[in-house]
Amino acid sequence: AQSVTQPDIHITVSEGASLELRCNYSYGATPYLFWYVQSPGQGLQLLLKYFSGDTLVQGIKGFEAEFKRSQSSFNLRKPSVHWSDAAEYFCAALTGGGNKLTFGTGTQLKVEL
Amino acid sequence: GAGVSQSPSNKVTEKGKDVELRCDPISGHTALYWYRQSLGQGLEFLIYFQGNSAPDKSGLPSDRFSAERTGGSVSTLTIQRTQQEDSAVYLCASSVNRGRGNTIYFGEGSWLTVV
Repeated sequence: AQSVTQPDIHITVSEGASLELRCNYSYGATPYLFWYVQSPGQGLQLLLKYFSGDTLVQGIKGFEAEFKRSQSSFNLRKPSVHWSDAAEYFCAALTGGGNKLTFGTGTQLKVEL
Repeated sequence: GAGVSQSPSNKVTEKGKDVELRCDPISGHTALYWYRQSLGQGLEFLIYFQGNSAPDKSGLPSDRFSAERTGGSVSTLTIQRTQQEDSAVYLCASSVNRGRGNTIYFGEGSWLTVV
């Protein structure tokens, strides 16, 4: 079955440290891929998306993600984390002929000061 | 409006009662989605509307759940005879047209608690 996997449920990093959140997908063709962030009590905010072309995509708030077809991965990175980045991060893929966003289970990021 | 608007933002209801959740998509967006976010369950697709086409209802968990979209804009998600397991955040989203190649924008959700 087509799916999106986020292997890490919780991640803790120190402020100023680099961050990488993992995402793997399982689809026959290259899906359209997204990263969303959800702060407590808030909705989902789009960080970045990959449709085609350059495999390194830049997003808001200093985030970037790299699509690697050989690894079926779309990992999210940030060189230096800020305390305000503490939130839950969701990787998602557009499937079902474009009707449905399938989400990973999310990674909860904690930032230590 | 500037973003996807949902109401109520919070709803507490007694088990067995019906509830209605409302979504106002971004103006001009023809595609509208409902998702459910439950503790420990992640984000589940519920239903998708695209223009005047028949909705994709494949994600609705039971026949107690229904949704409609009037005039191609506002949508209402109705849950009949609510159960405690219906407690969740119900997220609405919209996009310009058919999802592929377009960004899907989410509202802040309606938090439903069934007691």
